[in-house]
Amino acid sequence: DAGITQSPRHKVTETGTPVTLRCHQTENHRYMYWYRQDPGHGLRLIHYSYGVKDTDKGEVSDGYSVSRSKTEDFLLTLESATSSQTSVYFCAISENRDSHYFGNGTRLTVT
Amino acid sequence: DQQVKQNSPSLSVQEGRISILNCDYTNSMFDYFLWYKKYPAEGPTFLISISSIKDKNEDGRFTVFLNKSAKHLSLHIVPSQPGDSAVYFCAASANSGAGSYQLTFGKGTKLSVIP
Repeated sequence: DAGITQSPRHKVTETGTPVTLRCHQTENHRYMYWYRQDPGHGLRLIHYSYGVKDTDKGEVSDGYSVSRSKTEDFLLTLESATSSQTSVYFCAISENRDSHYFGNGTRLTVT
Repeated sequence: DQQVKQNSPSLSVQEGRISILNCDYTNSMFDYFLWYKKYPAEGPTFLISISSIKDKNEDGRFTVFLNKSAKHLSLHIVPSQPGDSAVYFCAASANSGAGSYQLTFGKGTKLSVIP
């Protein structure tokens, strides 16, 4: 299994509070991604990173920010959580087109 | 607008028979296609991929077929086993030039293999 860890695995938070999800990899892969999975939508890309301090927006980036200060860590922040951000969040890493490895997800509930 | 479509939300197949999962895409820039398998409470795991320069790729019981003119691909699983029961996602990527390989996913098809 690829060395990719997401934390926390589960989180319940209230509307309006800030939330940070962490993705940590031990594979030294260049690319890191954050996706969200919702019923009826599959997985949708939120943000991605192509190197330290190099990030870009994905399909559903509104309300989210990311940071990558080290190769191994990619943080996803919800500045002010809303109920529409209740979802399962997956981090992925890759070095080429075949090696998209996913973490086991973080289930976030915003009440 | 959905660029990758999996029109069958679910599929049931008898053990030992063939499972065929279908996927259509609309973006002509997609040149690499992947299938992922997902069990509950786990992340998706890579199954098989195909480049647009090929029309078939095989790996054990899994074969992916690509029909570029129809913008259609399919995953064949032969023979199907109960452990294959999972949600299968079709994904596609285009070479963005920056080198990042973002994936666009379909909504998934839930495969149930009946013993």
